[in-house]
Amino acid sequence: EPEVTQTPSHQVTQMGQEVILRCVPISNHLYFYWYRQILGQKVEFLVSFYNNEISEKSEIFDDQFSVERPDGSNFTLKIRSTKLEDSAMYFCASSEAEVEKLFFGSGTQLSVL
Amino acid sequence: GQQLNQSPQSMFIQEGEDVSMNCTSSSIFNTWLWYKQDPGEGPVLLIALYKAGELTSNGRLTAQFGITRKDSFLNISASIPSDVGIYFCAGQFMDSNYQLIWGAGTKLIIKP
Repeated sequence: EPEVTQTPSHQVTQMGQEVILRCVPISNHLYFYWYRQILGQKVEFLVSFYNNEISEKSEIFDDQFSVERPDGSNFTLKIRSTKLEDSAMYFCASSEAEVEKLFFGSGTQLSVL
Repeated sequence: GQQLNQSPQSMFIQEGEDVSMNCTSSSIFNTWLWYKQDPGEGPVLLIALYKAGELTSNGRLTAQFGITRKDSFLNISASIPSDVGIYFCAGQFMDSNYQLIWGAGTKLIIKP
């Protein structure tokens, strides 16, 4: 069964450093998303991406965040200068159509020290 | 911002019991999705609902999209140990094309 894959599974970084989280969405999907989940809290929407551009973003997704689809298979989330409060599990998701049946990866646990 | 109220927060049940959980909102939603999350894993889609009043089953799971479009419930019949986990509702509300709003989750624990 096709699945969304994310790497790395864990990322530890120092405050102020840049991190790039990587995702390979399901191959025939057209819509891509990043969500995050702080330990014990709700899943929060960050950004959606379609047709090589951001289609919607939340207040969390400020200028420190960016997304990119550098080739036909990868979808990345970059945090330019990490803060302590960026520590969370980051989930990539993809879907064939808008907000229809989002399929999630296993997540990248980001720890900012 | 938009909010989903999910209840109960946690449930302790005996194996074989039926389970019911629900999500409500003051806003109208176009889509309701129910997910299960195991520790250290991403959410796994259980059921997707697209129409008011829609009732959909997936094995022992049944979910319904409320007629008012402001609520949804998920039932699990005859629970088994592997049902343990956290169940989330997520909805797409009318003013957004892409964003899912999530409930806080219902943690299901099965008593031995």
